[in-house]
Amino acid sequence: DVKVTQSSRYLVKRTGEKVFLECVQDMDHENMFWYRQDPGLGLRLIYFSYDVKMKEKGDIPEGYSVSREKKERFSLILESASTNQTSMYLCASSLGGNKETQYFGPGTRLLVL
Amino acid sequence: AQRVTQPEKLLSVFKGAPVELKCNYSYSGSPELFWYVQYSRQRLQLLLRHISRESIKGFTADLNKGETSFHLKKPFAQEEDSAMYYCALNYGQNFVFGPGTRLSVLP
Repeated sequence: DVKVTQSSRYLVKRTGEKVFLECVQDMDHENMFWYRQDPGLGLRLIYFSYDVKMKEKGDIPEGYSVSREKKERFSLILESASTNQTSMYLCASSLGGNKETQYFGPGTRLLVL
Repeated sequence: AQRVTQPEKLLSVFKGAPVELKCNYSYSGSPELFWYVQYSRQRLQLLLRHISRESIKGFTADLNKGETSFHLKKPFAQEEDSAMYYCALNYGQNFVFGPGTRLSVLP
């Protein structure tokens, strides 16, 4: 059974703070993804990675960066948090290649004050 | 640009009634389409994918390339089907999700 975990369920940060969101998967998946989920907008892809140290921009990468130093871990970084980054952040992983099912983490709800 | 639209934000039906959640996509290649579901207080999970052509929990979805649609259907809705449903398009290594439809099945 695939397990995708995220380091925090809830986070409250102040504008300008550096924020780290961590995601870990235990199924040796090649691909990992970061989305933000907002009402009426669905899920929007921020970044994805298909291998260690590899990353690709998604639809809304501005204001975010990522790090994948180990296969099982994919980190999302907000260099200087802003109020418009208040959202639910979802991490997902999938086997290598495309057309594969994504397995999602429980989400981190981030509030930036 | 590739897009996925779900025209209904909220769909309410009575238990036992048929339900159809609409999904349209824009993509010029061969699409890979998925339906994901999120029940209350649970994580997002795969419901079905068109490539496997299976029925899950009584739901089916047929890819109509002419109409660029991938509507989700169930002949008799159950209260436990109440959830948020997302249609998703995979192209290359990228995924695009629709805005989602909240299905509410009334007793």
